[in-house]
Amino acid sequence: DAKTTQPPSMDCAEGRAANLPCNHSTISGNEYVYWYRQIHSQGPQYIIHGLKNNETNEMASLIITEDRKSSTLILPHATLRDTAVYYCIVRVANNAGGTSYGKLTFGQGTILTVHP
Amino acid sequence: GAGVSQSPSNKVTEKGKDVELRCDPISGHTALYWYRQRLGQGLEFLIYFQGNSAPDKSGLPSDRFSAERTGESVSTLTIQRTQQEDSAVYLCASSSHPGGGNIQYFGAGTRLSVL
Repeated sequence: DAKTTQPPSMDCAEGRAANLPCNHSTISGNEYVYWYRQIHSQGPQYIIHGLKNNETNEMASLIITEDRKSSTLILPHATLRDTAVYYCIVRVANNAGGTSYGKLTFGQGTILTVHP
Repeated sequence: GAGVSQSPSNKVTEKGKDVELRCDPISGHTALYWYRQRLGQGLEFLIYFQGNSAPDKSGLPSDRFSAERTGESVSTLTIQRTQQEDSAVYLCASSSHPGGGNIQYFGAGTRLSVL
């Protein structure tokens, strides 16, 4: 799976948009971009994923550049409860013939702190 | 239950003892994963189950670690002769299938402390 690079930490004011970048310059054509977050003392929580088109759900938006070498997770109106570690993960869509179906490889992520 | 359930939530044990950690996945989820997270670190993959079989055990750190899954449901992670370096949060996740679009749902984890 491709390696990702994220800033170690970011700050955001409550009510403002939080834009979390992720570089994945070695991404392959069949790899998806996934975002998870981990709030303190909890298990990771799925946020959103995409292949090449921009995606939006009730939690966030995912913007993927045309060359797919980077992406941005957008939390449109950050709240204090959005303070967490955010992980950007790229993973093959499937691995026919292999054994590593679906495992997620977590990096260090970005610590997002939302302040009042 | 609606989500992935892990028990116990906390476990304190003495060095050299065996421990068993349990995971109840979301009903109907065929894929199940175990991860480990040491304090201040990211998640490390341990093992993956598809049904009751484990096609990927590559993350198990030593032969003291083993896991099984029965009835395509409950999984147990066993650590024998625990060492202090085994202290970590052990997280379980399940998904409906391992292919594209796979979304993993995580439990709250078991915090293991080896004294």
